[in-house]
Amino acid sequence: AQTVTQSQPEMSVQEAETVTLSCTYDTSENNYYLFWYKQPPSRQMILVIRQEAYKQQNATENRFSVNFQKAAKSFSLKISDSQLGDTAMYFCAFMKPSGGGADGLTFGKGTHLIIQP
Amino acid sequence: NAGVTQTPKFQVLKTGQSMTLQCAQDMNHEYMSWYRQDPGMGLRLIHYSVGAGITDQGEVPNGYNVSRSTTEDFPLRLLSAAPSQTSVYFCASSTTTRNEQFFGPGTRLTVL
Repeated sequence: AQTVTQSQPEMSVQEAETVTLSCTYDTSENNYYLFWYKQPPSRQMILVIRQEAYKQQNATENRFSVNFQKAAKSFSLKISDSQLGDTAMYFCAFMKPSGGGADGLTFGKGTHLIIQP
Repeated sequence: NAGVTQTPKFQVLKTGQSMTLQCAQDMNHEYMSWYRQDPGMGLRLIHYSVGAGITDQGEVPNGYNVSRSTTEDFPLRLLSAAPSQTSVYFCASSTTTRNEQFFGPGTRLTVL
């Protein structure tokens, strides 16, 4: 079974600063997906960024980027030029691809990110 | 496309009552799943389905039943509600590659 650990229950930064959220995971799989989801107060789960384990290049989406270290089983999220609208819970999640076992997403417990004006 | 829809948005039940949480998607996704989210926790998998007629248990299946008679619908049934089932429930769907899960808006369930 997979486990996902987010060691920062809460973080607070000033608007426009850069912030990094940590995530580590444990798996015996070689191929898998990793995700960061954002959950604002509306509780909607919003996909922020996705990384495929077989790709060495770190994924980027505008102000969001990841540092994927496969050997260390680490998957951190960097948010640049943080904005007030980034305030939310952020969840790191792991998933095996189709054919790798029919499980769903395994989530960490989340990091509450607060962007201060 | 409406994406993934869930009804109701809120529900209050008494202990022992039964109910069905509805989930539907219009993206022709084969894979659908149900999660529950408790305070201080990430989402945990209850049941999932890889296609019509096929369902299986996730991490926390006790007290819940599912069926998948069509590709579009994946209802979650609580047979005899308990206070421990007070939670927010999310339905999700994806293609078979499962490289992106689309989530519904969630149902907040309170069992008194």
